[in-house]
Amino acid sequence: SQQGEEDPQALSIQEGENATMNCSYKTSINNLQWYRQNSGRGLVHLILIRSNEREKHSGRLRVTLDTSKKSSSLLITASRAADTASYFCATHRSNDYKLSFGAGTTVTVRA
Amino acid sequence: EPEVTQTPSHQVTQMGQEVILRCVPISNHLYFYWYRQILGQKVEFLVSFYNNEISEKSEIFDDQFSVERPDGSNFTLKIRSTKLEDSAMYFCASRAGYEQYFGPGTRLTVT
Repeated sequence: SQQGEEDPQALSIQEGENATMNCSYKTSINNLQWYRQNSGRGLVHLILIRSNEREKHSGRLRVTLDTSKKSSSLLITASRAADTASYFCATHRSNDYKLSFGAGTTVTVRA
Repeated sequence: EPEVTQTPSHQVTQMGQEVILRCVPISNHLYFYWYRQILGQKVEFLVSFYNNEISEKSEIFDDQFSVERPDGSNFTLKIRSTKLEDSAMYFCASRAGYEQYFGPGTRLTVT
């Protein structure tokens, strides 16, 4: 498998706090993407970071990528109850476009 | 905003029966995918499809599975003789660039 594990597996925070989750992968990649999944629902694309980028922002999301450590982090700032979901990182290699997903981090934001 | 749609949202079938899961990808996308997620597990790649043929398939995608693009809009996944272990959420995805856009999924329950 190309994908490592995300950590933590679960995260519980208070509304307004920041949530940080990490993702590791095993092989060289073209890009890394983060997805959100609400319970029992589909996958929503959040953000994509290319292998030559180190940091990217989108609204309250901040993603970093360290290709030397084969790891990425997703930071959600000023969390809201609606951010409660599972978050997955997914990678694809340069020679194919199928996505390899991590096991995900389940985030619970308490009101 | 265009989106990937899937029908049905939930399918219950008896072991040994054939099922067809349907997807309508985003209209200007050329690359199509099926993934599945067994309850509590990672999202797994099944098959990719481009130019009316399979580009790549995983070891999960055995002779019991087939895909088809019968017309200009639909993309289907057929399981010929379902097994209990086929119970999962099945996601269709499509892309034009790097980002894959996922449908809401079909929950398949095999009894």
